[in-house]
Amino acid sequence: AQKITQTQPGMFVQEKEAVTLDCTYDTSDQSYGLFWYKQPSSGEMIFLIYQGSYDEQNATEGRYSLNFQKARKSANLVISASQLGDSAMYFCAMREDPYNTDKLIFGTGTRLQVFP
Amino acid sequence: GAVVSQHPSWVICKSGTSVKIECRSLDFQATTMFWYRQFPKQSLMLMATSNEGSKATYEQGVEKDKFLINHASLTLSTLTVTSAHPEDSSFYICSARDLGLNTEAFFGQGTRLTVV
Repeated sequence: AQKITQTQPGMFVQEKEAVTLDCTYDTSDQSYGLFWYKQPSSGEMIFLIYQGSYDEQNATEGRYSLNFQKARKSANLVISASQLGDSAMYFCAMREDPYNTDKLIFGTGTRLQVFP
Repeated sequence: GAVVSQHPSWVICKSGTSVKIECRSLDFQATTMFWYRQFPKQSLMLMATSNEGSKATYEQGVEKDKFLINHASLTLSTLTVTSAHPEDSSFYICSARDLGLNTEAFFGQGTRLTVV
């Protein structure tokens, strides 16, 4: 079974609009972390936002916010006021059992295209 | 924030030769580093966990004799692709986390390997 599922291979959004990128996860651990990374065409992985499984509030970082619904095992990324520079691949990732392992499991990604 | 530097950013080599990729943590010590491989239009797949002073831990299906990992110091891990073949052509990227400071993993810039 997929640990991280991103069902949107591609998304389009107009500049200045908000967009939501979906991510669902599967784990039996009580303690885990959820991440979103941005990968522009250059290939680098840019950290955007983190949500811990015990965090009661949704994480926010500037224009990025994470809609964390623990019971539904979803961790959707919301980008507000999209900019042309937001066009990139976006990956959701999970770190299970953070006290024993540090490795990340990635979803298949969503390609976001922002148009003027 | 923590910085991870990877070198080279791209390399072309002939079939049968070996290629070494370096991953350095520039401003923190990393007892553990991770090596991922990403084929075009696909997600990042963990290849191995590099452990300082001990043997690397390889994911299922990854040939340890083909992908040699050395983590000789707290700031440097190397991945050597031995006897490279065209099917080894891929994007290789490393990551590390500053355990004392950050929740997120930082990634190197990645290395695009082309075997001809």
